[in-house]
Amino acid sequence: QLQLQESGPGLVKPSETLSLTCTVSGGSISSSSYYWGWIRQPPGKGLEWIGSIYYSGSTYYNPSLKSRVTISVDTSKNQFSLKLSSVTAADTAVYYCARHTLAYCTGGVCYPLDYWGQGTLVTVSS
Amino acid sequence: DIQLTQSPSFLSASVGDRVTITCRASQGISSYLAWYQQKPGKAPKLLIYAASTLQSGVPSRFSGSGSGTEFTLTISSLQPEDFATYYCQQLNSYLYTFGQGTKLEIK
Repeated sequence: QLQLQESGPGLVKPSETLSLTCTVSGGSISSSSYYWGWIRQPPGKGLEWIGSIYYSGSTYYNPSLKSRVTISVDTSKNQFSLKLSSVTAADTAVYYCARHTLAYCTGGVCYPLDYWGQGTLVTVSS
Repeated sequence: DIQLTQSPSFLSASVGDRVTITCRASQGISSYLAWYQQKPGKAPKLLIYAASTLQSGVPSRFSGSGSGTEFTLTISSLQPEDFATYYCQQLNSYLYTFGQGTKLEIK
């Protein structure tokens, strides 16, 4: 059974960089059928896609966060990571990692999120 | 950027009711849409992808339809475990925007 687990500091100071790692177990991060993504959810609010990465290193970012986000992958450790720079209180959220799986939508392939980590709360505060 | 608007934002219903949630896209996205269910304190769960394809293990009372700019999620007969928040997500062009969510509450 595939499992994803987020790890990293639960408290980050304003203006600093938030860093999280997602460890994938029960499957290989290097499979060509999957992408790997980060999604966040501020307390009491909706879901926001942050960005995603392919095992080869190709990345896709939310345009609203692109200037502050870096997602990377370490296939040797079966992990992928998120860095979000210059954080403010507005970046306080539960951060989820998840797997995009290859599927077929009309006219081509698409990648819904079929496995999720349990989420980790990151609070931005001094 | 493609925006997704769900309606209603809140829905009150009873066990056994048939409910429908709508998701409208600001541009046509063919069938590049997924639906998720999220319960408090839990990660979202994939229900439907490609607008109408039921994810493995999801009960058949859930169904999805639509194409282009208008999509619906229907629960044919609400069960107690279905009270949750539902999100649509577009899967087009590697920009995975979510709708704002619909909270389904017990009447």
